Amino acid sequence: SQKIEQNSEALNIQEGKTATLTCNYTNYSPAYLQWYRQDPGRGPVFLLLIRENEKEKRKERLKVTFDTTLKQSLFHITASQPADSATYLCARPYGNNRLAFGKGNQVVVIP
Amino acid sequence: NAGVTQTPKFQVLKTGQSMTLQCAQDMNHNSMYWYRQDPGMGLRLIYYSASEGTTDKGEVPNGYNVSRLNKREFSLRLESAAPSQTSVYFCASSDGTVYPNEQFFGPGTRLTVL
Repeated sequence: SQKIEQNSEALNIQEGKTATLTCNYTNYSPAYLQWYRQDPGRGPVFLLLIRENEKEKRKERLKVTFDTTLKQSLFHITASQPADSATYLCARPYGNNRLAFGKGNQVVVIP
Repeated sequence: NAGVTQTPKFQVLKTGQSMTLQCAQDMNHNSMYWYRQDPGMGLRLIYYSASEGTTDKGEVPNGYNVSRLNKREFSLRLESAAPSQTSVYFCASSDGTVYPNEQFFGPGTRLTVL
């Protein structure tokens, strides 16, 4: 099956440090990956999209990389803040304009 | 713009009751989606509509029906609710004419079936 996997364990990180999350995929080569943020009790919000021919994408303190050899995307939050505490979802495309989501990775930034 | 709106926010049903979850978007998007989110399972697609008048089953369609009433509205119906349908339901929309494009989510409906 064409899985997309995220580490289910919560990541606790000290404020100011860089948080790094991993999204792994198997048995296919996605044309792009998307990353979303979800706060408790709310719907996911789109953050970044990275295409397979892009090594890296940045948005403010966020950075996403795409390694097609390792079949992996890394999501970095630099200079993390307590307001960055949330669950982050990775998603891959399939079919006609659909997305398959990973289970998400919770980040807790400790002041 | 309100984006994607969903009603109700919370609902408690008894087994066997029926209800319709409403979703509307004001972004003139072609594609709309219904997901359910359960602890440890992530977001799973229930139904998808590429455009007005078309619907397709997703990963977990059993026990649900949908109606794409017009371009703005996409409703999800539970005909005979079961405890296994206790979940948080999210509606989403996307442009559908540009590739790739992101999805915009509503605030969710928290449904409990007793």
